[in-house]
Amino acid sequence: GEDVEQSLFLSVREGDSSVINCTYTDSSSTYLYWYKQEPGAGLQLLTYIFSNMDMKQDQRLTVLLNKKDKHLSLRIADTQTGDSAIYFCAEKNSNYQLIWGAGTKLIIKP
Amino acid sequence: DAGVTQSPTHLIKTRGQHVTLRCSPISGHKSVSWYQQVLGQGPQFIFQYYEKEERGRGNFPDRFSARQFPNYSSELNVNALLLGDSALYLCASSLTGTGMNTEAFFGQGTRLTVV
Repeated sequence: GEDVEQSLFLSVREGDSSVINCTYTDSSSTYLYWYKQEPGAGLQLLTYIFSNMDMKQDQRLTVLLNKKDKHLSLRIADTQTGDSAIYFCAEKNSNYQLIWGAGTKLIIKP
Repeated sequence: DAGVTQSPTHLIKTRGQHVTLRCSPISGHKSVSWYQQVLGQGPQFIFQYYEKEERGRGNFPDRFSARQFPNYSSELNVNALLLGDSALYLCASSLTGTGMNTEAFFGQGTRLTVV
């Protein structure tokens, strides 16, 4: 069945770049998304990429998509303490449903 | 402009009871989706409604049901609650439920605890 996998934790130093990786299995995915969830807060859509693109940049965020390997990554430049959160990767399947990863907790070291 | 609102924010129920969760979409949005997020996991799709019709259903038992009203608000009902139903229930709204922005707007969720 459809599956989205992410590593559970990532620790980076403040000011460095963070790269969060995700793999998915559904080759018919139309859109792929990155969400941010902070403690006590709802899910915030950070960015998305259409499946026929390979890169998208939005200020400090860069999304890379390798469709052949079904690999998606989110790069956060100049990581700040406010970036501490859980980051979810999700893919939209052909039934318009979102399939989510388990989330990567980003830990910022001073 | 109000975002997606969910009520209640927290709820404690006993096993075997029934629960109703409510969601009001952003004004003008006609599609509502429901997700269950168990602690430490990503959200799991439960239902999507568009124009009061069920458009999609995830892999959940028949104890879970939902409906959408003429004003596009929605209710999620869960019968015969189990301990495993304890989770954060999230509602998302969108204009049409298709395209890139289907789940751009989420409510804060309802935290359900079953004891």
